[in-house]
Amino acid sequence: IAGITQAPTSQILAAGRRMTLRCTQDMRHNAMYWYRQDLGLGLRLIHYSNTAGTTGKGEVPDGYSVSRANTDDFPLTLASAVPSQTSVYFCASSDRGIGNTEAFFGQGTRLTVV
Amino acid sequence: GESVGLHLPTLSVQEGDNSIINCAYSNSASDYFIWYKQESGKGPQFIIDIRSNMDKRQGQRVTVLLNKTVKHLSLQIAATQPGDSAVYFCAENKAGNMLTFGGGTRLMVKP
Repeated sequence: IAGITQAPTSQILAAGRRMTLRCTQDMRHNAMYWYRQDLGLGLRLIHYSNTAGTTGKGEVPDGYSVSRANTDDFPLTLASAVPSQTSVYFCASSDRGIGNTEAFFGQGTRLTVV
Repeated sequence: GESVGLHLPTLSVQEGDNSIINCAYSNSASDYFIWYKQESGKGPQFIIDIRSNMDKRQGQRVTVLLNKTVKHLSLQIAATQPGDSAVYFCAENKAGNMLTFGGGTRLMVKP
């Protein structure tokens, strides 16, 4: 059982470059989320999608965009990376809407912007 | 603004002892709470959840207690094992809103 797969596992990115973090789930969950995790700040929600075709902004959406063309995939794009976007990014999914049931997390993508 | 927080950033316990990890929340409208465990290099893993209409919920070796009067949440781990060493996060949800995570508590189990 794969669950949630994120790619790449890690990446070093030059500032100003565009980058897409990939996330795929095979649980047919309706809701998907992107979080960033920074030391001392816990997990902060970037964007979410309650169902295919819809997206919403989380706590820290600036500099990021998402799309949800189908149930399984939820890519996160940094249009022009900046050093403050250095973080560990986690994709998650849940069967029902955001905050109502447990969310399953991927293994994370460690991104360093230099 | 309202937020979720943790009292102790690091907790060290002896193997076999019970562990108690605490979490304070300030959003009185929150109706759903979750505890997650995160091991080094891995994503958060669901441990146990509780809704605001309950005071206590038990799982395998874990118990979550919710005190709505003082807005306090705790995770109790019985007979702590080395494999329990990790960072533990509490998270809260105000109905329909995003899940908000606390900063985490690191649990270290001494053999």
